[in-house]
Amino acid sequence: GESVGLHLPTLSVQEGDNSIINCAYSNSASDYFIWYKQESGKGPQFIIDIRSNMDKRQGQRVTVLLNKTVKHLSLQIAATQPGDSAVYFCAENSMEYGNKLVFGAGTILRVKS
Amino acid sequence: DGGITQSPKYLFRKEGQNVTLSCEQNLNHDAMYWYRQDPGQGLRLIYYSQIVNDFQKGDIAEGYSVSREKKESFPLTVTSAQKNPTAFYLCASSSYRGAGDTQYFGPGTRLTVL
Repeated sequence: GESVGLHLPTLSVQEGDNSIINCAYSNSASDYFIWYKQESGKGPQFIIDIRSNMDKRQGQRVTVLLNKTVKHLSLQIAATQPGDSAVYFCAENSMEYGNKLVFGAGTILRVKS
Repeated sequence: DGGITQSPKYLFRKEGQNVTLSCEQNLNHDAMYWYRQDPGQGLRLIYYSQIVNDFQKGDIAEGYSVSREKKESFPLTVTSAQKNPTAFYLCASSSYRGAGDTQYFGPGTRLTVL
């Protein structure tokens, strides 16, 4: 999602439910995408990545989906746990960016017990 | 124990002072990066280095300086020219192969100007 100043979009889910976090990326030429998780006061932690020649990639409890037609990326977390509460960032990479990552502002995930 | 370390975790600076933030990695990564994070915002790139003795400005380099004398170290100096330095600073590294690589982050340094 998009952020507006200090107000990051927030997703609240019940423990045990599935979570879907969305990201709209900006560059149709981007060829590599990463999801990061950032807990309060800590550095971002790599979750999963996907290259543009794929539509879907699965990890442990997480799935990333890439829709290049509408420039949309999503992160699905299965059986969400309290420890999943954090800010989630997507990042895109493109040769046009000189192979630097461009980060979205993030989405807050809150898990209710 | 492999990874990226940053020190100190918290840093306080008086106005007009320069301060240096440390970043060390033992992952044998070629590329290193410095980002600034402000509340409720994404990461903004300050400087990056793809090889020893070479570095490039990112999007917000004004008021900052870096050096890359060793592959494992990439210190960031926040100078007195940086007008609003209070922020969370993150260092990252990647094994740069020119095709898009995962960046791994350190734990961050929170800088506060008094």
